[in-house]
Amino acid sequence: AQTVTQSQPEMSVQEAETVTLSCTYDTSENNYYLFWYKQPPSRQMILVIRQEAYKQQNATENRFSVNFQKAAKSFSLKISDSQLGDTAMYFCAFMKHAGNTPLVFGKGTRLSVIA
Amino acid sequence: DVKVTQSSRYLVKRTGEKVFLECVQDMDHENMFWYRQDPGLGLRLIYFSYDVKMKEKGDIPEGYSVSREKKERFSLILESASTNQTSMYLCASSVLGRENTDTQYFGPGTRLTVL
Repeated sequence: AQTVTQSQPEMSVQEAETVTLSCTYDTSENNYYLFWYKQPPSRQMILVIRQEAYKQQNATENRFSVNFQKAAKSFSLKISDSQLGDTAMYFCAFMKHAGNTPLVFGKGTRLSVIA
Repeated sequence: DVKVTQSSRYLVKRTGEKVFLECVQDMDHENMFWYRQDPGLGLRLIYFSYDVKMKEKGDIPEGYSVSREKKERFSLILESASTNQTSMYLCASSVLGRENTDTQYFGPGTRLTVL
């Protein structure tokens, strides 16, 4: 079975600074997907970024980027130029490369951006 | 935009009551999921469905059942609610994308309290 570990339950960062959220996973699969989801306070969970394991290039979405280390089974999220609106719970998630397979989530990291 | 709606944002029920949580998506997605979210535990999969009248157990199905009579609607049923089912319940849907990327879209969640 796959597991996802987020070792930082809570983090804080000053506005405009850069922060990195850690995620490691365990799997015997070779093809899979990794995701970061964001859940703002009292708001819906939304996708931040995703990475296909067969792609060596790290995914980026505006201020969000990942550092995907397949051999180390590590998938960290970097948020640059942090904004107050980035305050949220962040969940790392894993999915096997097959149709109709559910996500496996980590326990989440609560990020607070401080003005 | 994908829209996933859940019938209630907040719900209070008594122990032993039968509880129905409804989820509707408007994007013709094949896959639908029910998770519960608890502090420090992340999201845990209860049930999922990849087609009408099809269902698969997730990691914590005990005490729950589901119904998928129509493609757009996925219901979670607590046959006899208990206090340990007090939680946030999240519904999600997804479609097998062009590149096999099953991005899941989440509803706003139902916070259920069982007294």
